[in-house]
Parts: sequence; structure tokens; C-alpha cells
Amino acid sequence: EIVLTQSPDTLSLSPGESATLSCRASQNVSGSFLAWYQQKPGQAPRLLIYAASSRATGIPDRFSGSGSGTVFTLRISRLEPGDFAQYYCQQYSTSPLTFGPGTEVDI
Amino acid sequence: EVQLVQSAAEVKKPGESLKISCRGSGYSFPSYWIAWLRQAPGRGLEWMAVIFPDDSDTKYNPSFQGQVTISAHKSSGTVYLQWSSLKASDTAIYYCARPVNNWSLDAFDIWGQGTLVTVSS
Repeated sequence: EIVLTQSPDTLSLSPGESATLSCRASQNVSGSFLAWYQQKPGQAPRLLIYAASSRATGIPDRFSGSGSGTVFTLRISRLEPGDFAQYYCQQYSTSPLTFGPGTEVDI
Repeated sequence: EVQLVQSAAEVKKPGESLKISCRGSGYSFPSYWIAWLRQAPGRGLEWMAVIFPDDSDTKYNPSFQGQVTISAHKSSGTVYLQWSSLKASDTAIYYCARPVNNWSLDAFDIWGQGTLVTVSS
């Protein structure tokens, strides 16, 4: 199975700053079938990005994704208070689907 | 509005059986894959299985094959996840989710609210 690693584990930033989160795959994620989710305590994950760079419905353009192959990046510009949360990457090119362990973006 | 509504939290003892549910509304239920995912403390998110309700085609994560059973009842718009003999390690929040492109292997844009399952003697 494809193992995803995320870095850093925690990113400490302030509102207004930008965040860059990394997701690396143990093997090629074909088709760039990689997604990013945001999860807040007590809530289900929320899809932000799919197909590496396509924003999900209703996601502001402050969130952008890039990458291909084994290296992917989520960028969040102009951090707002509601952006401080846990972020997960997920690959869906190969069964079983797998998720990274997450990056916490905190203040 | 497209929604997935899950059954309430459960507290069970090891060895007991359990069936939790996920009811879809606001869309053509039989025509969309639905997956179950687990989020256990310290284990992150794990994809367990997926089902196409119209014909009950199913796919399992090998890690969960034989441990759980996914099923669907088309006419009631409900997907189920069941265990025949729970273990303490099954303690987790379980989510159902609908894929964004309606593929069996996909990202998920519609999520249920989660069902907390606690297994303790």
C-alpha cells in the first residue's frame, strides 16, 4: 500500500501568515489522485483539494494544492482564525486508499 | 441538500455484535458509492470498505476484510457496517462518506457526522 508522510507535524503561525504543508508518498500517486482535508475537533473531515490542485466546492482560493508523483503541497495564504486545524492528505490512485498522519496548524 | 446521517453512539462489550448505519438523502442513493472510514485515537484516518448500493458491489481494505461487513438497503437509502464480535481495538469514530467523482476509489466530499463506538468491558 502507498504510505503517506506529512511534514511538519505541527506548524505554529499567526493569522495573516501563509502555511505550506507537505505530503510525500512512498510510491508514485498516478493521475495525481491526491486530496487534502481539514478537520477541526469534533467534526468530520472537510474536503479542500482533490486531484492534487482542484478546489472542492465552496473552498476559498486562499487554499491551493500542487504536486505530482510522490511530492505534494498544500498552501494556505492569509491564515484566518478558522484555518487553525488538522490537515490530512489522502491518495486514491491505488487500493487501499490511505491517509497521511496529519499536520496541525496552530496559533 | 445532500446529507449522510449516521446512527447514534454505541457502547458495547468485547465479543458483542454491532451494526451501525448511514442514511443518505437529497440525491439518488442507489447510484453513488458510499465508503466507511475509521478514526481511532492514535491511528489517524483509515479507509475500511466501499459499496455501490444499486448492485451491492463491494471493495474492502485488506486490513479490514473479514473483520467487518458492509451492506446496503436500497429502498431505505441506508448503508450499514457490522461486526460479529467486537474487540477493544474497534473503539473509534466511524464515518460514512460519499466520493466526489463517484468512483469506487476516490476523495470524499460528503461526510456523515460520525458514530462513536466504544468497546469496553
